[in-house]
This record gives sequence, structure tokens and C-alpha cells, in this order.
Amino acid sequence: AQSVAQPEDQVNVAEGNPLTVKCTYSVSGNPYLFWYVQYPNRGLQFLLKYITGDNLVKGSYGFEAEFNKSQTSFHLKKPSALVSDSALYFCAVSHLTGGGNKLTFGTGTQLKVEL
Amino acid sequence: SAVISQKPSRDICQRGTSLTIQCQVDSQVTMMFWYRQQPGQSLTLIATANQGSEATYESGFVIDKFPISRPNLTFSTLTVSNMSPEDSSIYLCSVAGDRRGNEQFFGPGTRLTVL
Repeated sequence: AQSVAQPEDQVNVAEGNPLTVKCTYSVSGNPYLFWYVQYPNRGLQFLLKYITGDNLVKGSYGFEAEFNKSQTSFHLKKPSALVSDSALYFCAVSHLTGGGNKLTFGTGTQLKVEL
Repeated sequence: SAVISQKPSRDICQRGTSLTIQCQVDSQVTMMFWYRQQPGQSLTLIATANQGSEATYESGFVIDKFPISRPNLTFSTLTVSNMSPEDSSIYLCSVAGDRRGNEQFFGPGTRLTVL
């Protein structure tokens, strides 16, 4: 079975500091990995994905993620956090089922960026 | 990316009643999905809405409780039937291409409260 784990319920960081939101995965075969962000009272927004190629993936709003096959991780990073980055972040893995292209989400990490 | 709208954006319903949620996309898409996000929880896939055939339900979800329609490639509905307070959640639709690497794009969600 496919799964993702986000070990931290909440991450606090000061504005201007680098941030990391952790994600580890368990899949059979090649992993297709995604990060989404959810702002209060909003739907999910796609940030970035890893399919193949370079292990460092760049996405929206200055975010990037590093795929590490040996550690089965796909941590989300940003060099300099902004207060406006405060939101709920979800890691997800894609796998095919009889119903098609299915996403399994992690439990989410609340990011809080403070002045 | 596709532009997705949902109606209603929120509703408060009485126990035992049913609510139908609409999802409209601005372009034709192969895959449409319905998710539930219970308070403080991650997203759980309810079903894949298949155009021209019955929806494919995930474990723990049944057609009698969550009937789904997909009359064409731009529209789908999810009905939450015989509601109870445990059905209070955010319901989100999403769309994707049919390839495993395609990211999903989400609607803004419908916030349902059952009294």
C-alpha cells in the first residue's frame, strides 16, 4: 500500500529563516510525489511535484523540494520564510488504481511563520 | 491549470436530510475526484467520478450514502444522503489528466455542517 508520513503536526519558524517541512513515503515502484498548500477557508493549491529527473524540484512561491530515494523522503524547503507562507501543507503520493490516478495524502503540517 | 467552482460554498443542514454539491470545470477533463476533509484532518478520497459510468468508490464509502453523477467532461455532483453530524466536513472536488504524473487541481471546497 502507498503511504506518506508527515511527522510534524506543526512547524514554527521566524520570518527570513529557512524552513523545512518533512515528508517520507512508502510506495511500490517509482514514486510520484506532490506538495500542496491549503490556506484558511481555501481549497488546496498545487506547489510542486517530483516525477523523474533532478532530485531538487522547484515550485511556486519560492518553494522547492528534495527527493531522496535512499531515505525515502521528499522534504519541502524554502530559503527564506515569509509570514504569508503560514498555512497547512500536505505531501501526497500518486498511484494508479482501477479508478485512475489516485492521490494519498499525508496528515498535513501546519506552518507558522512569525515576525 | 483548470478553474474549478463548487456550489454551495457552505451549508448548514438538518440531520436526516440530503445535500447535493456541484463541481464545474472550465475545460474538459478526464478524471474527477471527490474528497472529504473532516475537521482538523487530512483529505480522504471518497470516489472517482467516471464520465458515462458509475463512480468508483474507496473503501468505507458506498454509493447509497454518497451518490455521484458525471454527466459530461466538465461537471459532476456529489450527494451526501441521510446526513448525520459525523458528515460535517469540507467536501472538495478535484480534476486531473489521466496520466499518473498529472497533478490534481482542487475546487474551493464546500463546508458542510450537520446539526
